[in-house]
Amino acid sequence: AQSVTQLDSQVPVFEEAPVELRCNYSSSVSVYLFWYVQYPNQGLQLLLKYLSGSTLVKGINGFEAEFNKSQTSFHLRKPSVHISDTAEYFCAVLQGGSEKLVFGKGTKLTVNP
Amino acid sequence: GAGVSQTPSNKVTEKGKYVELRCDPISGHTALYWYRQSLGQGPEFLIYFQGTGAADDSGLPNDRFFAVRPEGSVSTLKIQRTERGDSAVYLCASSLEGQGYYEQYFGPGTRLTVT
Repeated sequence: AQSVTQLDSQVPVFEEAPVELRCNYSSSVSVYLFWYVQYPNQGLQLLLKYLSGSTLVKGINGFEAEFNKSQTSFHLRKPSVHISDTAEYFCAVLQGGSEKLVFGKGTKLTVNP
Repeated sequence: GAGVSQTPSNKVTEKGKYVELRCDPISGHTALYWYRQSLGQGPEFLIYFQGTGAADDSGLPNDRFFAVRPEGSVSTLKIQRTERGDSAVYLCASSLEGQGYYEQYFGPGTRLTVT
């Protein structure tokens, strides 16, 4: 069965600093990868997704992620964070032919002034 | 347009009672999903509907959990004989088959507390 590991449960950073949130998934023949963000008391919102093609994926709010098949990773990055990026971020994988998203446990990003 | 809506937003019930949680998907979305998010965890898949039929119910934890989507739109998740371990946020999502169909749009969730 697919699994997703988010290596950091909490990441505190200062405003305007760069950030990387790490995600690794268990290997499979073909997978689709996603990052979702959950703001306090709100539903999950899709940040970006990798289905195929270019391994560097750009999403909303200045986030990007790089798919690395050899390392089975899909790390999320932003070069300069804002206070408003404070939220919980979830990495998810969907195996080809399945409709079942498998999520990691999440990373709480806290941006401090 | 309107997103996925879920009612109630909060539900408190006593152990052993029956509860129903409702999901209204985005209009025109044929696929509907239920997930459960326990405290400190990511969402866990419960069931997926394509139209009126449950295409994958492999995530339902036991036979106390059941979900329906009789007209291919609104869905109801039903939990019998609730237990304290059922306390969680229940998330519903929908997607439009055929157009970016791997994107699932999530509702705000129903927070279920079993006392």
